[in-house]
Amino acid sequence: QVQLQESGPGLVKPSETLSLTCTVSSGSMSSSFWSWNRQPPGRGLEWIGYIYYSGSTNYNPSLKSRVTLSVDTSKNQFSLRLSSVTAADTAVYFCVRGGGGYHMDVWGKGTTVTVSS
Amino acid sequence: EIVLTQSPGTLSLSPGERATLSCRASESVSSRLLAWYQQKPGQAPRLLIYGASGRATGIPDRFSGSGSGTDFTLTISRLEPEDFAVYHCQQFGVLPYTFGQGTKLEIK
Repeated sequence: QVQLQESGPGLVKPSETLSLTCTVSSGSMSSSFWSWNRQPPGRGLEWIGYIYYSGSTNYNPSLKSRVTLSVDTSKNQFSLRLSSVTAADTAVYFCVRGGGGYHMDVWGKGTTVTVSS
Repeated sequence: EIVLTQSPGTLSLSPGERATLSCRASESVSSRLLAWYQQKPGQAPRLLIYGASGRATGIPDRFSGSGSGTDFTLTISRLEPEDFAVYHCQQFGVLPYTFGQGTKLEIK
């Protein structure tokens, strides 16, 4: 059973770049899409974007100018970079298997990122 | 983008009762590309239903999904104590993917 684990700083300063990595274990990244979602405190879920194992991407237009997803299949990892963060980017960030027209069937436990000086 | 509106916002029921949760889309969604997730406090969402009516692995048969076009329903036939949680619908057919705001199912 594939498992996902997010890692990265829990505190980011305003205007800086948020960087998270998701490590895929007990399975291969091949032939799958991988997404990032987030959930601000007390609010609903928001899809950030997805990346195919080959590297092709699709982003939410609301974040597109600030988001970059990348993948390193040799390390079984994919990553999120979100630039110029503000307090509105404070959220729990989840890495997920799915996207590209596929449902999201495996979720990481989530990591809380707070944007504050 | 497609807006998904879930109703009710909060549903108060007792164990053993039947729960019916609604998800309405602002435009037609392929039933093949709609999913439901369950989320408990402090946990990640868990896939329940995909393709509008397919149960994910390990999901009990008291959970069922139905619907087409703009109207979708998640039904829990007989509530168990562990079913009280927040439920989210999601469409993943039209970019950007969107989620409903969630329905909180609470114990009455």
